[in-house]
Amino acid sequence: AQSVTQPDIHITVSEGASLELRCNYSYGATPYLFWYVQSPGQGLQLLLKYFSGDTLVQGIKGFEAEFKRSQSSFNLRKPSVHWSDAAEYFCAVGGNSGGYQKVTFGIGTKLQVIP
Amino acid sequence: GAVVSQHPSWVICKSGTSVKIECRSLDFQATTMFWYRQFPKQSLMLMATSNEGSKATYEQGVEKDKFLINHASLTLSTLTVTSAHPEDSSFYICSAGRVYEQYFGPGTRLTVT
Repeated sequence: AQSVTQPDIHITVSEGASLELRCNYSYGATPYLFWYVQSPGQGLQLLLKYFSGDTLVQGIKGFEAEFKRSQSSFNLRKPSVHWSDAAEYFCAVGGNSGGYQKVTFGIGTKLQVIP
Repeated sequence: GAVVSQHPSWVICKSGTSVKIECRSLDFQATTMFWYRQFPKQSLMLMATSNEGSKATYEQGVEKDKFLINHASLTLSTLTVTSAHPEDSSFYICSAGRVYEQYFGPGTRLTVT
């Protein structure tokens, strides 16, 4: 069965500082990997995804993520955080589970941005 | 584009009553819609996948008779929580699209008293 671990439940960074949110996955083959952001009152919005090819993926809002097969990781990064980035971030893995395609989400990391 | 709405955004109901949550794709047709449940400090858990015009596929452990899903049109799926109990209180999220290209609604907060 596929699974996702987001080890940091809550992270606080200063505005303008760099950000890295950790994500580790478990899946037997090459997974499909996603990062979503959820702001209060809003639906989950896709930041970026990895299906194949270049392991460094660029997304919207200045985010990027790197797929590292050897570490089973797909960490999300941003060089300079803005106050509007405060939200909850979900990592997800997609693959074949029980005979059909399925996406499994992590528990989420809540990002707080301080002035 | 690809906007999904949910109604209501929050609802309070009494134990034993039923409540219906609507999920609409506003600017596209959705053959498939997904229903998730999210408990505080937990991840989104897929409850069921609904395909327009056919019966929903429920995940293991989800009671079909308690969580009735209807996907009668290409833009509307509904989730009815029947005979709700306090343990059904949760945040329910729908999405529409394909498995690896889902567009999410803003969620519905259900509180059962």
